[in-house]
Amino acid sequence: GQNIDQPTEMTATEGAIVQINCTYQTSGFNGLFWYQQHAGEAPTFLSYNVLDGLEEKGRFSSFLSRSKGYSYLLLKELQMKDSASYLCAVRGNYGGSQGNLIFGKGTKLSVKP
Amino acid sequence: GAVVSQHPSWVICKSGTSVKIECRSLDFQATTMFWYRQFPKQSLMLMATSNEGSKATYEQGVEKDKFLINHASLTLSTLTVTSAHPEDSSFYICSAPRDRGSYEQYFGPGTRLTVT
Repeated sequence: GQNIDQPTEMTATEGAIVQINCTYQTSGFNGLFWYQQHAGEAPTFLSYNVLDGLEEKGRFSSFLSRSKGYSYLLLKELQMKDSASYLCAVRGNYGGSQGNLIFGKGTKLSVKP
Repeated sequence: GAVVSQHPSWVICKSGTSVKIECRSLDFQATTMFWYRQFPKQSLMLMATSNEGSKATYEQGVEKDKFLINHASLTLSTLTVTSAHPEDSSFYICSAPRDRGSYEQYFGPGTRLTVT
Protein backbone atom coordinates (compact mmCIF):
# COMPACT_ATOMS: atom_id res chain seq x y z
CA GLY A 1 0.00 0.00 0.00
CA GLN A 2 0.88 3.67 -0.12
CA ASN A 3 1.50 5.51 3.13
CA ILE A 4 3.11 8.83 3.91
CA ASP A 5 3.30 9.99 7.52
CA GLN A 6 4.11 13.41 8.88
CA PRO A 7 3.16 15.16 12.13
CA THR A 8 -0.19 16.89 12.09
CA GLU A 9 0.87 20.10 13.80
CA MET A 10 4.01 21.82 15.04
CA THR A 11 4.69 25.10 16.79
CA ALA A 12 7.94 27.06 16.74
CA THR A 13 9.24 30.49 17.66
CA GLU A 14 10.19 33.25 15.25
CA GLY A 15 13.92 33.13 14.48
CA ALA A 16 14.25 29.49 15.52
CA ILE A 17 14.87 26.32 13.48
CA VAL A 18 12.24 23.63 12.94
CA GLN A 19 12.49 20.19 11.39
CA ILE A 20 9.45 18.52 9.85
CA ASN A 21 9.81 14.77 9.39
CA CYS A 22 8.22 12.57 6.78
CA THR A 23 8.29 8.78 6.47
CA TYR A 24 6.97 6.95 3.46
CA GLN A 25 6.10 3.48 2.25
CA THR A 26 5.19 3.47 -1.42
CA SER A 27 5.14 0.86 -4.16
CA GLY A 28 7.39 3.03 -6.31
CA PHE A 29 9.76 5.93 -5.78
CA ASN A 30 10.80 8.58 -8.26
CA GLY A 31 11.54 11.46 -5.99
CA LEU A 32 10.25 13.22 -2.89
CA PHE A 33 8.83 16.72 -2.85
CA TRP A 34 8.06 19.29 -0.21
CA TYR A 35 5.35 21.88 -0.81
CA GLN A 36 4.14 24.82 1.24
CA GLN A 37 0.41 25.51 1.31
CA HIS A 38 -1.22 28.53 2.92
CA ALA A 39 -4.87 28.14 3.78
CA GLY A 40 -7.09 28.39 0.70
CA GLU A 41 -4.15 28.69 -1.66
CA ALA A 42 -2.28 26.46 -4.10
CA PRO A 43 0.66 24.42 -2.86
CA THR A 44 3.97 25.99 -3.85
CA PHE A 45 7.07 23.96 -4.59
CA LEU A 46 9.87 24.05 -2.02
CA SER A 47 12.25 21.20 -2.75
CA TYR A 48 12.88 17.96 -4.59
CA ASN A 49 15.11 15.05 -3.54
CA VAL A 50 15.73 11.97 -5.62
CA LEU A 51 19.16 10.96 -4.30
CA ASP A 52 20.17 10.49 -0.66
CA GLY A 53 21.51 13.53 1.08
CA LEU A 54 20.80 17.13 1.84
CA GLU A 55 19.56 19.76 -0.59
CA GLU A 56 19.90 23.34 0.60
CA LYS A 57 18.00 26.27 -0.79
CA GLY A 58 18.27 29.45 1.24
CA ARG A 59 16.48 29.10 4.57
CA PHE A 60 15.04 25.74 3.54
CA SER A 61 16.85 22.40 3.39
CA SER A 62 15.51 18.95 2.66
CA PHE A 63 17.08 15.60 3.43
CA LEU A 64 16.37 12.16 2.01
CA SER A 65 17.31 8.63 3.03
CA ARG A 66 15.81 6.16 0.56
CA SER A 67 16.91 3.11 2.54
CA LYS A 68 15.02 4.39 5.58
CA GLY A 69 12.06 5.80 3.67
CA TYR A 70 12.65 9.07 5.48
CA SER A 71 12.88 12.74 4.70
CA TYR A 72 12.88 15.97 6.62
CA LEU A 73 12.37 19.61 5.80
CA LEU A 74 14.47 22.05 7.81
CA LEU A 75 13.40 25.65 8.10
CA LYS A 76 15.90 28.13 9.53
CA GLU A 77 15.46 31.68 10.82
CA LEU A 78 11.73 31.20 11.03
CA GLN A 79 9.52 34.09 10.03
CA MET A 80 5.87 34.66 10.79
CA LYS A 81 5.05 34.20 7.10
CA ASP A 82 6.34 30.62 7.35
CA SER A 83 3.14 29.71 9.19
CA ALA A 84 1.51 27.30 6.73
CA SER A 85 0.96 23.64 6.01
CA TYR A 86 3.95 21.71 4.68
CA LEU A 87 3.16 18.78 2.42
CA CYS A 88 5.44 15.83 1.83
CA ALA A 89 4.79 14.04 -1.46
CA VAL A 90 6.34 11.06 -3.20
CA ARG A 91 6.25 10.59 -6.95
CA GLY A 92 5.15 7.11 -7.90
CA ASN A 93 6.33 4.89 -10.69
CA TYR A 94 4.06 5.48 -13.63
CA GLY A 95 3.91 8.50 -15.83
CA GLY A 96 7.67 8.98 -16.13
CA SER A 97 8.82 12.43 -15.16
CA GLN A 98 5.20 13.47 -15.03
CA GLY A 99 4.27 10.68 -12.62
CA ASN A 100 1.58 11.11 -10.04
CA LEU A 101 2.27 12.53 -6.60
CA ILE A 102 1.20 10.75 -3.42
CA PHE A 103 0.71 13.28 -0.66
CA GLY A 104 0.92 13.14 3.11
CA LYS A 105 -1.76 14.90 5.13
CA GLY A 106 0.48 17.87 5.71
CA THR A 107 2.02 19.42 8.82
CA LYS A 108 0.48 22.66 10.01
CA LEU A 109 3.28 24.87 11.31
CA SER A 110 2.48 27.81 13.56
CA VAL A 111 5.24 30.36 14.12
CA LYS A 112 4.86 32.38 17.33
CA PRO A 113 6.51 35.73 18.06
CA GLY B 1 6.95 32.13 -13.54
CA ALA B 2 4.51 29.50 -14.60
CA VAL B 3 0.98 29.99 -13.39
CA VAL B 4 -1.98 27.69 -13.30
CA SER B 5 -5.41 29.19 -12.75
CA GLN B 6 -8.73 27.63 -11.77
CA HIS B 7 -12.25 28.88 -12.13
CA PRO B 8 -14.38 29.24 -10.15
CA SER B 9 -12.52 29.58 -6.86
CA TRP B 10 -15.61 28.47 -4.99
CA VAL B 11 -19.07 27.24 -5.95
CA ILE B 12 -22.21 26.21 -4.13
CA CYS B 13 -24.68 24.02 -5.96
CA LYS B 14 -27.78 21.99 -5.23
CA SER B 15 -27.75 18.24 -5.04
CA GLY B 16 -28.37 16.65 -8.44
CA THR B 17 -26.91 19.48 -10.51
CA SER B 18 -23.63 19.49 -12.44
CA VAL B 19 -20.65 21.76 -11.89
CA LYS B 20 -17.77 22.48 -14.28
CA ILE B 21 -14.34 23.49 -13.00
CA GLU B 22 -11.73 24.92 -15.38
CA CYS B 23 -7.98 24.60 -15.07
CA ARG B 24 -5.77 26.75 -17.27
CA SER B 25 -2.04 26.97 -17.77
CA LEU B 26 -1.41 30.67 -18.35
CA ASP B 27 2.07 30.94 -19.82
CA PHE B 28 2.93 27.43 -20.88
CA GLN B 29 1.36 24.51 -22.67
CA ALA B 30 0.41 21.48 -20.65
CA THR B 31 -0.11 18.17 -22.43
CA THR B 32 -0.82 16.61 -19.07
CA MET B 33 -2.76 17.97 -16.12
CA PHE B 34 -3.61 16.28 -12.85
CA TRP B 35 -6.82 16.62 -10.85
CA TYR B 36 -6.73 16.19 -7.09
CA ARG B 37 -9.35 16.26 -4.37
CA GLN B 38 -8.70 17.28 -0.78
CA PHE B 39 -11.16 16.65 2.04
CA PRO B 40 -10.72 18.59 5.31
CA LYS B 41 -7.58 17.53 7.20
CA GLN B 42 -6.86 14.90 4.55
CA SER B 43 -4.22 14.42 1.87
CA LEU B 44 -4.52 15.66 -1.66
CA MET B 45 -5.73 12.56 -3.47
CA LEU B 46 -5.11 12.13 -7.18
CA MET B 47 -8.40 11.63 -9.02
CA ALA B 48 -7.29 11.49 -12.63
CA THR B 49 -4.64 12.37 -15.15
CA SER B 50 -5.89 14.55 -17.99
CA ASN B 51 -4.19 14.10 -21.34
CA GLU B 52 -4.59 16.58 -24.18
CA GLY B 53 -6.34 15.00 -27.13
CA SER B 54 -7.02 11.66 -25.47
CA LYS B 55 -9.04 10.09 -22.69
CA ALA B 56 -8.25 10.81 -19.08
CA THR B 57 -6.78 8.13 -16.84
CA TYR B 58 -8.76 7.68 -13.64
CA GLU B 59 -7.48 6.43 -10.31
CA GLN B 60 -9.04 3.38 -8.75
CA GLY B 61 -12.31 4.18 -7.04
CA VAL B 62 -12.99 7.37 -9.03
CA GLU B 63 -16.11 7.13 -11.20
CA LYS B 64 -15.26 8.31 -14.70
CA ASP B 65 -18.92 8.80 -15.58
CA LYS B 66 -19.41 11.06 -12.59
CA PHE B 67 -16.23 13.11 -12.93
CA LEU B 68 -15.97 14.02 -16.59
CA ILE B 69 -12.62 15.34 -17.75
CA ASN B 70 -12.02 17.14 -21.03
CA HIS B 71 -8.56 18.32 -22.08
CA ALA B 72 -9.47 19.90 -25.40
CA SER B 73 -6.50 22.24 -25.73
CA LEU B 74 -2.93 22.53 -24.51
CA THR B 75 -3.89 25.17 -21.97
CA LEU B 76 -7.27 24.03 -20.68
CA SER B 77 -8.61 21.03 -18.83
CA THR B 78 -12.11 20.88 -17.37
CA LEU B 79 -13.56 18.70 -14.63
CA THR B 80 -17.33 18.33 -14.54
CA VAL B 81 -18.92 16.89 -11.43
CA THR B 82 -22.20 15.41 -12.66
CA SER B 83 -25.25 14.86 -10.46
CA ALA B 84 -23.40 16.27 -7.49
CA HIS B 85 -24.16 15.00 -3.99
CA PRO B 86 -23.18 16.46 -0.59
CA GLU B 87 -20.40 13.89 -0.27
CA ASP B 88 -18.77 15.44 -3.34
CA SER B 89 -18.20 18.63 -1.36
CA SER B 90 -14.45 19.08 -1.31
CA PHE B 91 -11.49 21.15 -2.44
CA TYR B 92 -10.62 20.32 -6.05
CA ILE B 93 -7.18 21.29 -7.26
CA CYS B 94 -5.37 20.82 -10.56
CA SER B 95 -1.69 20.78 -11.39
CA ALA B 96 0.50 20.68 -14.47
CA PRO B 97 4.17 20.05 -15.13
CA ARG B 98 5.79 22.97 -16.90
CA ASP B 99 7.17 20.74 -19.65
CA ARG B 100 7.55 17.08 -20.46
CA GLY B 101 10.92 16.76 -18.78
CA SER B 102 10.09 18.73 -15.67
CA TYR B 103 9.71 17.08 -12.29
CA GLU B 104 8.07 20.17 -10.88
CA GLN B 105 4.30 20.54 -10.94
CA TYR B 106 2.54 23.88 -10.68
CA PHE B 107 -0.71 23.85 -8.78
CA GLY B 108 -3.82 25.87 -9.37
CA PRO B 109 -5.39 27.78 -6.46
CA GLY B 110 -8.13 25.21 -6.06
CA THR B 111 -11.92 25.24 -6.21
CA ARG B 112 -14.03 24.83 -3.09
CA LEU B 113 -17.22 22.92 -4.00
CA THR B 114 -20.13 22.80 -1.58
CA VAL B 115 -23.14 20.70 -2.51
CA THR B 116 -26.30 21.41 -0.51
